Amino acid sequence: DGGITQSPKYLFRKEGQNVTLSCEQNLNHDAMYWYRQDPGQGLRLIYYSQIVNDFQKGDIAEGYSVSREKKESFPLTVTSAQKNPTAFYLCASSPVVTGTDTQYFGPGTRLTVL
Amino acid sequence: AQSVTQPDIHITVSEGASLELRCNYSYGATPYLFWYVQSPGQGLQLLLKYFSGDTLVQGIKGFEAEFKRSQSSFNLRKPSVHWSDAAEYFCAANPGAGGTSYGKLTFGQGTILTVHP
Repeated sequence: DGGITQSPKYLFRKEGQNVTLSCEQNLNHDAMYWYRQDPGQGLRLIYYSQIVNDFQKGDIAEGYSVSREKKESFPLTVTSAQKNPTAFYLCASSPVVTGTDTQYFGPGTRLTVL
Repeated sequence: AQSVTQPDIHITVSEGASLELRCNYSYGATPYLFWYVQSPGQGLQLLLKYFSGDTLVQGIKGFEAEFKRSQSSFNLRKPSVHWSDAAEYFCAANPGAGGTSYGKLTFGQGTILTVHP
């Protein structure tokens, strides 16, 4: 089945540690996205990538980093510089980055920093 | 600034009743508009989308939405709600074709729907 997988579903880390969230898609989509979701705030864009080896900052990129070495993979690292990292993180992909393309979402990773 | 607003944080309806979820946008030109649904602890699923043309858009699961340019609104409706419709609903928009920010979705805050039996 084609889709987007995110692992792990739940992640716990100590304050000050970097942590990497996995996102893999087998939809052959060029574009991939990372969103952060907090209660009552909707989804906010962290980073997006239109093509391999290229990515752009979204609205809340500070304290996060990404890489896009393969078309199907777009891992997100939450660094110790992120002041409030506890949140639900959603990865998405679309065929290309255009206005009309539907973004398909993964099941999400809930990160809790202790 | 471009924004999407969902005025209702939480709506409760009885099963079988009609439903309308409100969404207003603020963009310089008419954006592309989307409605997504999210079950607890899950990702988002697209219900429907509007780009141009007929202002009444049909989606999955019996949902429809109407685009009203004069009111900058894109409200989601369903004539008869089922208990399985209980979820959180998000309205989203992007600026449309052209420009440097096309493809970047801006989401509303979400509306939580509770369905009473």
